[in-house]
Amino acid sequence: EIVLTQSPGTLSLSPGERATLSCRASQSVSSSYLAWYQQKPGQAPRLLIYGASSRATGIPDRFSGSGSGTDFTLTISRLEPEDFAVYYCQQYGSRVTFGPGTKVDIK
Amino acid sequence: QVTLKESGPVLVKPTETLTLTCTVSGFSLSNARMGVSWIRQPPGKALEWLAHIFSNDEKSYSTSLKSRLTISKDTSKSQVVLTMTNMDPVDTATYYCARIITTLPFGYFDYWGQGTLVTVSS
Repeated sequence: EIVLTQSPGTLSLSPGERATLSCRASQSVSSSYLAWYQQKPGQAPRLLIYGASSRATGIPDRFSGSGSGTDFTLTISRLEPEDFAVYYCQQYGSRVTFGPGTKVDIK
Repeated sequence: QVTLKESGPVLVKPTETLTLTCTVSGFSLSNARMGVSWIRQPPGKALEWLAHIFSNDEKSYSTSLKSRLTISKDTSKSQVVLTMTNMDPVDTATYYCARIITTLPFGYFDYWGQGTLVTVSS
């Protein structure tokens, strides 16, 4: 099973700042089958990115994904107030696993 | 529009069997490249994939929970059912169903239900 590790556990930033979230896999994720989700308290996760870098429908272009192999990154170019949430990565190249999440909170 | 909604008991006793139903609308369970997964999230913890079923009735289960899970679908009712046997307090979680998009054995989740909190307690 592919284990995903996300860092940092918590990222404290101010609105307008750039957020860089990391997702590292225990083995290579085939064909960059890596997705990112945003989850706010009391809500279901929302798909942001699939295929490592493709934005889902309706997702603002301040969200971008990159990476391949074992190292992936989600970047939020300028944090908006609604972006403070928990972010999960998920791989689907070999069964399905999720990372433990990164919380982005207000500094 | 695409919606998914989970239903089932909010409280189950240890050793009992949990049965959850996901009712979908806005798409058909017979659509190629689409399926439905069940995913759970214990309070304050991360997401855990449980199982999926595709339009061709292909099924897959979490390796660690496979012996306890059964997934099935009724296309005419637009429903996917998950059963989990021998429930334990550690199974207390919010259970989500989600639409899966793929051309692979697995995929990513583009629509999610609101989730249903299931508590396991005597």
